[in-house]
Amino acid sequence: DAKTTQPNSMESNEEEPVHLPCNHSTISGTDYIHWYRQLPSQGPEYVIHGLTSNVNNRMASLAIAEDRKSSTLILHRATLRDAAVYYCILRDLSNYQLIWGAGTKLIIKP
Amino acid sequence: NAGVTQTPKFQVLKTGQSMTLQCAQDMNHEYMSWYRQDPGMGLRLIHYSVGAGITDQGEVPNGYNVSRSTTEDFPLRLLSAAPSQTSVYFCASISLGGTKRDTIYFGEGSWLTVV
Repeated sequence: DAKTTQPNSMESNEEEPVHLPCNHSTISGTDYIHWYRQLPSQGPEYVIHGLTSNVNNRMASLAIAEDRKSSTLILHRATLRDAAVYYCILRDLSNYQLIWGAGTKLIIKP
Repeated sequence: NAGVTQTPKFQVLKTGQSMTLQCAQDMNHEYMSWYRQDPGMGLRLIHYSVGAGITDQGEVPNGYNVSRSTTEDFPLRLLSAAPSQTSVYFCASISLGGTKRDTIYFGEGSWLTVV
């Protein structure tokens, strides 16, 4: 099974961009890349997902490497409310299973 | 839409007791799953289902049973609770088609303590 690797934690200043990396070197052609975030004592919240092309939505952008072995979640202007654990997840379309990494704890400094 | 609803939110069990965590979704999603999350860790898959009458094991299925008699409901049963099952449990559903396909919807979690 493909796995994801993320840094344990990252710090950023408020109102600055944040780039959260994820390595998934064993990704298969049918794996979607999902990003979710989780606040303390809450369930995971959808952020963004993609397959091959870069993706943008209101919350963030997802940059996927050409070989798909890594991706980066970009928060364009971090706020204190963005402080959370961010999970990079692969979803296997062949069996719909989600493969979770350990997540990156994002700390936002005012 | 209520989304994914889990009950109970908090539960304390004695070792050896059995109980059922309920999960219901009103979005007509085909795929439903149960995860557990231990402190400081990511989610681990317990069981999943791709439709009514179909269930399969995930990464950590021992000590848990599931059934999927309807599209809406996917209960998780703890047969004989053990302290190692103290955890936070999340139910999730995914649409396998339509404009919202691939978006995973999570319940709010059920905090279970086994003493």
